[in-house]
Amino acid sequence: KAGVTQTPRYLIKTRGQQVTLSCSPISGHRSVSWYQQTPGQGLQFLFEYFSETQRNKGNFPGRFSGRQFSNSRSEMNVSTLELGDSALYLCASSVDRGRGYTFGSGTRLTVV
Amino acid sequence: EDQVTQSPEALRLQEGESSSLNCSYTVSGLRGLFWYRQDPGKGPEFLFTLYSAGEEKEKERLKATLTKKESFLHITAPKPEDSATYLCAVQFMNTGFQKLVFGTGTRLLVSP
Repeated sequence: KAGVTQTPRYLIKTRGQQVTLSCSPISGHRSVSWYQQTPGQGLQFLFEYFSETQRNKGNFPGRFSGRQFSNSRSEMNVSTLELGDSALYLCASSVDRGRGYTFGSGTRLTVV
Repeated sequence: EDQVTQSPEALRLQEGESSSLNCSYTVSGLRGLFWYRQDPGKGPEFLFTLYSAGEEKEKERLKATLTKKESFLHITAPKPEDSATYLCAVQFMNTGFQKLVFGTGTRLLVSP
């Protein structure tokens, strides 16, 4: 059974650019959540999608956005990148909201 | 303020030396408490979900317990391969939305 797949694994971008990260959940999982992980702040919740609708949102600026497609795959976009956006971005999927979440290996974003 | 606090921040054990990790929380409307294990460069790996005070779950050398204010992850006779960062996360209702907040983790190192 394939796990949660995140692409790309590593990314280097320049300040001011935008970036799109992709997440393919486990087959049959309809809930997809995104997190930012940094050494100083730990894991912070970005947003959650269920059935193509954003159901929940963390305390991040509007530069962070996402969407979910009909096949449950999700993308996350960050516009006007800042140095502080450098982090490991993790995606997690669940068969339903509130159940155990399975995480992908993450995308390591470095902003220079 | 809704908070999740893990202690200790780091723990060093000898192989076979049992110990406990703590996760305390100050949230209302608890929906579930999750324990994860995270290895360097990887996404968190789901371990347990606990839903109500008094509940216990076990898996190999790990046992998770839950009270109304905290959860413990007991590690019995640990092995070097148990070395990892252990994260707890609390899911609760806040202003009509379901939130998931992670603690900052306990870094466990088990020496042979």
